[in-house]
Amino acid sequence: EAQVTQNPRYLITVTGKKLTVTCSQNMNHEYMSWYRQDPGLGLRQIYYSMNVEVTDKGDVPEGYKVSRKEKRNFPLILESPSPNQTSLYFCASSLKGAPLPEQYFGPGTRLTVT
Amino acid sequence: AQSVSQHNHHVILSEAASLELGCNYSYGGTVNLFWYVQYPGQHLQLLLKYFSGDPLVKGIKGFEAEFIKSKFSFNLRKPSVQWSDTAEYFCAVNEAGTYKYIFGTGTRLKVLA
Repeated sequence: EAQVTQNPRYLITVTGKKLTVTCSQNMNHEYMSWYRQDPGLGLRQIYYSMNVEVTDKGDVPEGYKVSRKEKRNFPLILESPSPNQTSLYFCASSLKGAPLPEQYFGPGTRLTVT
Repeated sequence: AQSVSQHNHHVILSEAASLELGCNYSYGGTVNLFWYVQYPGQHLQLLLKYFSGDPLVKGIKGFEAEFIKSKFSFNLRKPSVQWSDTAEYFCAVNEAGTYKYIFGTGTRLKVLA
């Protein structure tokens, strides 16, 4: 089944404790992206990747890191999480067409930083 | 900076009522436009998209949207909603030639049976 998976689905952590949220897709998509969803703010793009080893900042990259060493995986790294990073995080992927076609979204990871 | 506005944050309708959700964007160049839907407990999924051509586009489940370039708008419509349309709806814009997406703040639709 074609899908985007994220792990963990739920995470409660403390300020400053490094964490990684994994994202994997099995559709051979070149493009992958991370978003955070907050009430009243909708989805905001954190980082995106056009292909292996090619990443760029979205609108809210501060406090996050990403890497794209393999085509299928695009982990989101919070090196020193803070309470303002408490949010619902979505990973998405798509083919790298022009124009960009539809994105396929993962189920989301709900992160709470205390 | 580019932005996307969805002015209706919460909409409550009775079944069979008509629906129109507004979406306006601020970018003056060429854009690709999308509506995504998030049903309760499910992933976001694409409802419809506009890249070029006929400004009236049809999507899944009877939804359609009209691109009006002069108004920078891409409003979503459905002639007769069903209870199963209860969901959150997001408008999204991709500036042509870039890999960035800007989403609106979303509209929560509740349809009463």
